[in-house]
Amino acid sequence: QVQLVQSGAEVKKPGASVKVSCKASGYIFTSYGISWVRQAPGQGLEWMGMISAYNGNTNYAQKLQGRVTMTTDTSTSTVYMELRSLRSDDTAVYYCARYDHNSSPLLDWGQGTLVTVSS
Amino acid sequence: QTVVTQEPSLTVSPGGTVTLTCASSTGAVTSGYYPNWFQQKPGQVPRALIYGTSNKHSWTPARFSGSLLGGKAALTLSDVQPEDEAEYYCLLYYGGAWLFGGGTKLTVL
Repeated sequence: QVQLVQSGAEVKKPGASVKVSCKASGYIFTSYGISWVRQAPGQGLEWMGMISAYNGNTNYAQKLQGRVTMTTDTSTSTVYMELRSLRSDDTAVYYCARYDHNSSPLLDWGQGTLVTVSS
Repeated sequence: QTVVTQEPSLTVSPGGTVTLTCASSTGAVTSGYYPNWFQQKPGQVPRALIYGTSNKHSWTPARFSGSLLGGKAALTLSDVQPEDEAEYYCLLYYGGAWLFGGGTKLTVL
């Protein structure tokens, strides 16, 4: 079965960077992409961007351009999302999800990673 | 700045029918926006319900259906069950980027 397992919770200071991992299993990794979504406490969902596991092509939300980078490691079927210059309003649960071009951009979801930005 | 708008909250009686809508500030929502719908219950990870306007996943209950209605994407729940109480989010495609609506809190009462 498809599984997306994310790295553990992080606490960062303002201005720092965070790198969250998402390890995929149960499917052919390079046949799909990975999307990232975040959810601030008590708030709605925000699409952050996606990366193709086939060729590494990315699309990022305009709001995060210049602060976010998504990369893949096909040898370990892992996707990474790095967010830089963290601010308090980046505090959120970050989710990765499998992107299926033939159906949903958010088909199967990881368990989420809480990133807290606090001085 | 493009905004996707949903009803903030709706209430429905068990066994009833309710329609949630999803509008785009850019104009009428068409199939080219590939509307998706997600359900999120408190403390849980969101779950995909509908893709490409009206297509259901294998796990999507038959009482959920997606459509285009009056220039908006719509999610209709028929014969609503107590377990359908949740937050529902639509997601629209804007040429390489996706944008969520603010979510609709559905109360079954």
